[in-house]
Amino acid sequence: TQLLEQSPQFLSIQEGENLTVYCNSSSVFSSLQWYRQEPGEGPVLLVTVVTGGEVKKLKRLTFQFGDARKDSSLHITAAQPGDTGLYLCAGAPGVGNQFYFGTGTSLTVIP
Amino acid sequence: DTEVTQTPKHLVMGMTNKKSLKCEQHMGHRAMYWYKQKAKKPPELMFVYSYEKLSINESVPSRFSPECPNSSLLNLHLHALQPEDSALYLCASSPDRGPYNEQFFGPGTRLTVL
Repeated sequence: TQLLEQSPQFLSIQEGENLTVYCNSSSVFSSLQWYRQEPGEGPVLLVTVVTGGEVKKLKRLTFQFGDARKDSSLHITAAQPGDTGLYLCAGAPGVGNQFYFGTGTSLTVIP
Repeated sequence: DTEVTQTPKHLVMGMTNKKSLKCEQHMGHRAMYWYKQKAKKPPELMFVYSYEKLSINESVPSRFSPECPNSSLLNLHLHALQPEDSALYLCASSPDRGPYNEQFFGPGTRLTVL
C-alpha cells in the first residue's frame, strides 16, 4: 500500500490570505497530480509534476515536487472564495496503471 | 479534448432495482476506472480496465458488475444495492502508457439507494 498523507485535513481562511497544502509519502512516485473538487462534481486536474524538484505555477497556485519524488506541496497566494473545494493529490508509481490518492484537504475561503 | 462524460448525473433506486451507470471518453486512453466517493473523502478505487480487460478489482461486492464494451465505453451495472452504497460514483481514464501517467475524471453520478 502506498499511502499519501495530506495536511492539513481542513482549512478555513479569510479571502486574501496565503496557504500551503502538503502531500507526503514514504514511497517514490513517477508522477504526481493535484486535483480540485467541488461538492457533487468530479475532481478537476490542476497539474501533473514528474521531475524531482520541479516547480509549476498556475496563476496564483504554485506546485512543487520534492527532490526525492516522495512529497509535494500546493501553495495558494491571495486565496479567493472560488478556491474553495476539496484538494486531492494522487501519485502514480510508474508501474501499472493504479493511482494512489492522498487523504484530502478541504479548503474554505471566507469572503 | 480532455473530457470524460458520465450518465446519468443523478440516480435514485430501490434495493431491488437494476440500473447501469455509463462512462465515455474519446481521448484514446487505454485505461478506465470506477471509483466510489463519500463526502469530503478521497475516491476509493473499485475497478480498473486496461486495454478493455479487467486488471484490478478491489474486492468489490458482486452487486456491482463492470463492463467495458470497447476502448471508449465503460459501464457499471448495479443490482440489489444497499443504502450504504449511496455515494458519488466517478469514472476516470488515463493513457496507460509509460511513467508519465495522469488521470482525467468525469463529473460523476450521484447515486441514492432507498
